[in-house]
Amino acid sequence: QSALTQPASVSGSPGQSIVISCTGTSSDLGDYKYVSWYQQHPGKAPKLIIYDVSNRPSGVSDRFSGSKSGNTASLTISGLQAEDEANYYCFSYTTTNTRLFGGGTKLTVL
Amino acid sequence: QVQLVESGGGMVQPGRSLRLSCAASGLTFRKYGMHWVRQAPGKGLEWVTFIRHDDSNKYYDDSVKGRFTVSRDNSKNMVFLQIDSLRAEDSAVYYCARDRDDHYFDYWGQGALVTVSS
Repeated sequence: QSALTQPASVSGSPGQSIVISCTGTSSDLGDYKYVSWYQQHPGKAPKLIIYDVSNRPSGVSDRFSGSKSGNTASLTISGLQAEDEANYYCFSYTTTNTRLFGGGTKLTVL
Repeated sequence: QVQLVESGGGMVQPGRSLRLSCAASGLTFRKYGMHWVRQAPGKGLEWVTFIRHDDSNKYYDDSVKGRFTVSRDNSKNMVFLQIDSLRAEDSAVYYCARDRDDHYFDYWGQGALVTVSS
């Protein structure tokens, strides 16, 4: 099964907002409200920032928000900060009981 | 607090086998499913396998089916990943991660590096 589709890179200036999209199919992302997002800094383990489309775990800044429409999920980061520079991955359950990551998006804070 | 610690990584020759371990602490291990996720050098995350809390079901990505085997020992709070017939493309950092509600991870280990090379 092919990875979910994310843009390879996005960028923004401090204080701005950016959106990272994640596109799947009706066999994965489109069929479920089970999209999660992970932030990964170089050399570190990934960190959960959004689960079940739009829920934030305790301790995650409210500058991070998620949404979904049809086969596309989106992660919005508002009020960009230098520490947000990282790689971001979406993740979904699939109809075959497997799981699937997006290809990853490198966020650069200019 | 929840801690997941992987071990068993290293450099292995192609065709050989390797078993990774993940030791869990700070949680009631028998209540949680566990995943393995890998990341090749400079590449993205790739989901590998999931084992349910009670070992009732196991799921694998098609790319590893038949060569990878996940298992767990709830009495020792450990999950394992057996990798057979290792290939160069299996070279990666392997993470174990705790499952929540069957569809996301809330805790990750620090990862174990596996390098397949002759």
